[in-house]
Amino acid sequence: GQNIDQPTEMTATEGAIVQINCTYQTSGFNGLFWYQQHAGEAPTFLSYNVLDGLEEKGRFSSFLSRSKGYSYLLLKELQMKDSASYLCAVMDSNYQLIWGAGTKLIIKP
Amino acid sequence: EPEVTQTPSHQVTQMGQEVILRCVPISNHLYFYWYRQILGQKVEFLVSFYNNEISEKSEIFDDQFSVERPDGSNFTLKIRSTKLEDSAMYFCASSELGGSGANVLTFGAGSRLTVL
Repeated sequence: GQNIDQPTEMTATEGAIVQINCTYQTSGFNGLFWYQQHAGEAPTFLSYNVLDGLEEKGRFSSFLSRSKGYSYLLLKELQMKDSASYLCAVMDSNYQLIWGAGTKLIIKP
Repeated sequence: EPEVTQTPSHQVTQMGQEVILRCVPISNHLYFYWYRQILGQKVEFLVSFYNNEISEKSEIFDDQFSVERPDGSNFTLKIRSTKLEDSAMYFCASSELGGSGANVLTFGAGSRLTVL
């Protein structure tokens, strides 16, 4: 079966750095996406990785290792507005997005 | 910035009633999707739509569900004879690309369906 694992919840301090991990087992791989979802709102796109390595976009970076079936999302200089769920999603060989359950990130002052 | 528009934002219905959820995708996007998210659970794929026909559908998308693009702008999800377990947030999404490249989905704000 296809599976994506993320921690259920993480807590971090404003101004700090947090790393959210995602491991996946899917039938094929055509890219990995990170989305941010605030409570009661729609997911919004953060990043896309299809090759191994680090993609940096402002305070957010995403890393991929295809051989390990592993990705992480790194958030720097955390702000209170970063409190949200972070969803890892993998596009499989049929170009369908397989979603993780999301990691709820709580930022404390 | 272009956005996906969904209506209604919240609908309450009685079990057994039919519901139609409406979406206006981004105008130059060619691929359309419906997802649902039961409160506190993961996003679940329902169906994808391209070139006026269903391209993929999940096990959830049974005969109770149907999709339609009645005109050049709207994309609808119909749920016949709603059940209590259909209560969820339903997200419409669209993308410019389908099965190639960074298929970034743009989501609508969602339609919350409550079945009593």
